[in-house]
Amino acid sequence: SQQGEEDPQALSIQEGENATMNCSYKTSINNLQWYRQNSGRGLVHLILIRSNEREKHSGRLRVTLDTSKKSSSLLITASRAADTASYFCATDVGDYKLSFGAGTTVTVRA
Amino acid sequence: DTGVSQNPRHKITKRGQNVTFRCDPISEHNRLYWYRQTLGQGPEFLTYFQNEAQLEKSRLLSDRFSAERPKGSFSTLEIQRTEQGDSAMYLCASSLDGRGDEKLFFGSGTQLSVL
Repeated sequence: SQQGEEDPQALSIQEGENATMNCSYKTSINNLQWYRQNSGRGLVHLILIRSNEREKHSGRLRVTLDTSKKSSSLLITASRAADTASYFCATDVGDYKLSFGAGTTVTVRA
Repeated sequence: DTGVSQNPRHKITKRGQNVTFRCDPISEHNRLYWYRQTLGQGPEFLTYFQNEAQLEKSRLLSDRFSAERPKGSFSTLEIQRTEQGDSAMYLCASSLDGRGDEKLFFGSGTQLSVL
């Protein structure tokens, strides 16, 4: 079974707009990670946020974590066509493996 | 580029045949993972190795599935007597066992189609 659930399932935005997606999970975590997957390819790690952190930035990415609500959000600012991909949250509960959600498919229109 | 390499990229087989996939992790990584991903879903954990030891297997991994990692280097995933429900993308990932907060490096996957 999958630990995380992303919302929305799909998102379509205009180039230059911001994209926000959310992840909810069920159990306590050590950290939460976000990955990107381009069509037919493997996943690429984007950012990791630890359970004792509330916000983290990396370039145009901003991740927040609310452990009391068991939720996280990923914000991509000033989106580009190259950001078109599926985005997955993954939780690390300390058992040496990551559990992935079903993902949010983002389409950035030129 | 010495990323995670998976072969073949695509495999089409008939139901009942056996298939084997190979994964070459990043050379210094001691952990290796196999995940399975179906269309519209996230990756599901199958099994993982610490060096050559297989430490955990998911309930998803029926007895038709076997994975090996001889000498703690490359890994193979074999599916015997394939079924149509085995059709999926099989992803391999590796990581370096540090002090937690590990991120996974994924290969491009092997897309299996069982006819």
